[in-house]
Amino acid sequence: SQQGEEDPQALSIQEGENATMNCSYKTSINNLQWYRQNSGRGLVHLILIRSNEREKHSGRLRVTLDTSKKSSSLLITASRAADTASYFCAEGGSEKLVFGKGTKLTVNP
Amino acid sequence: NAGVMQNPRHLVRRRGQEARLRCSPMKGHSHVYWYRQLPEEGLKFMVYLQKENIIDESGMPKERFSAEFPKEGPSILRIQQVVRGDSAAYFCASSHGKLYEKLFFGSGTQLSVL
Repeated sequence: SQQGEEDPQALSIQEGENATMNCSYKTSINNLQWYRQNSGRGLVHLILIRSNEREKHSGRLRVTLDTSKKSSSLLITASRAADTASYFCAEGGSEKLVFGKGTKLTVNP
Repeated sequence: NAGVMQNPRHLVRRRGQEARLRCSPMKGHSHVYWYRQLPEEGLKFMVYLQKENIIDESGMPKERFSAEFPKEGPSILRIQQVVRGDSAAYFCASSHGKLYEKLFFGSGTQLSVL
């Protein structure tokens, strides 16, 4: 299976804390993408990092990529209750995106 | 600029019936992808289509499932003779170009097979 893995599967933190989620992938990639899914909804694209980039920022999001280890991390700083959702990484290396199983993040007020 | 539109939002079928799921991509997008999601699972790729062409159907079961994206109208995912194991959320996504671009997702169709 090409499917990557997010770690941890579930994460529960207090509002204001930082949340870190990790993703390991298996294939050679052109880019690595992170998506968010609120319960019962479709996925929303958060950020894309290309294979020749090591770090990228967008607002409270910071993504790193280590192609030698085939891993990426997503950091959400100063978390809010509204950040509660599932977060998925997706490998962009072929004509289709391959998604991991996701990390379920709960931010407690 | 409407996003990706999927309908119906919920679909209930009895075993043996047919299910038709519709997807209208974002305006200007000619690439459509269908994914299936089981509870507490990630998304599993099913099929990738461009207008009038199936590009990659490697994730679609060989029997009972078919997909199309005609020149005019929405993309259709069709499941014949549904079984309980087909119960899942089916998501459609679209992109402007191809190859590694970010996807825009619809809200999904929740299929329940009784």
